[in-house]
Amino acid sequence: AQKITQTQPGMFVQEKEAVTLDCTYDTSDPSYGLFWYKQPSSGEMIFLIYQGSYDQQNATEGRYSLNFQKARKSANLVISASQLGDSAMYFCAMSRAFGNEKLTFGTGTRLTIIP
Amino acid sequence: NAGVTQTPKFQVLKTGQSMTLQCAQDMNHNSMYWYRQDPGMGLRLIYYSASEGTTDKGEVPNGYNVSRLNKREFSLRLESAAPSQTSVYFCASSEYGRGLAGELFFGEGSRLTVL
Repeated sequence: AQKITQTQPGMFVQEKEAVTLDCTYDTSDPSYGLFWYKQPSSGEMIFLIYQGSYDQQNATEGRYSLNFQKARKSANLVISASQLGDSAMYFCAMSRAFGNEKLTFGTGTRLTIIP
Repeated sequence: NAGVTQTPKFQVLKTGQSMTLQCAQDMNHNSMYWYRQDPGMGLRLIYYSASEGTTDKGEVPNGYNVSRLNKREFSLRLESAAPSQTSVYFCASSEYGRGLAGELFFGEGSRLTVL
């Protein structure tokens, strides 16, 4: 069975600072995918970034990067130069393979950006 | 471009009543999913459909039934609602198994309250 752990229920960060959201995972599958989603107060789920377990390089998407440490089973999200609009819930998730079958989500981290 | 459309967005039921949540996607995706989101528990998979004509149980299927009516539509039915089914329900779709960037496209969510 797969498991995602997000140990930070809430974080407060000053605007323009970088922030790291922690995510650890547990799986016995040889290949898997790791995802981060953002959920603003309006409620929709927004895809941010994806990392495949065999990808050699860490994924990046604009201000988002995924710090993938396979040996430690961690997939932390790094947001550079945080903005007020980054205030939201952030969910880490994983899939059994490179596709999207049955994503398993963590409990989320609520990020608040302070002006 | 509508993406994933869920109806209704809000619903209040009495214990024992039945209802169906409707979901439709216009992206020609093969896979569709129903998740529920509860405070402090992230999103949990109820049912999914990898392709038209197939459905499979997820993590929390008890008390629910689903129908993949065609490639576009995937409905979730509560036959006899219980207060434990009070939650926010999300429908999602994706291109299954193509090993692409791994993005789930979510609807806006349906908030269900069972009294």
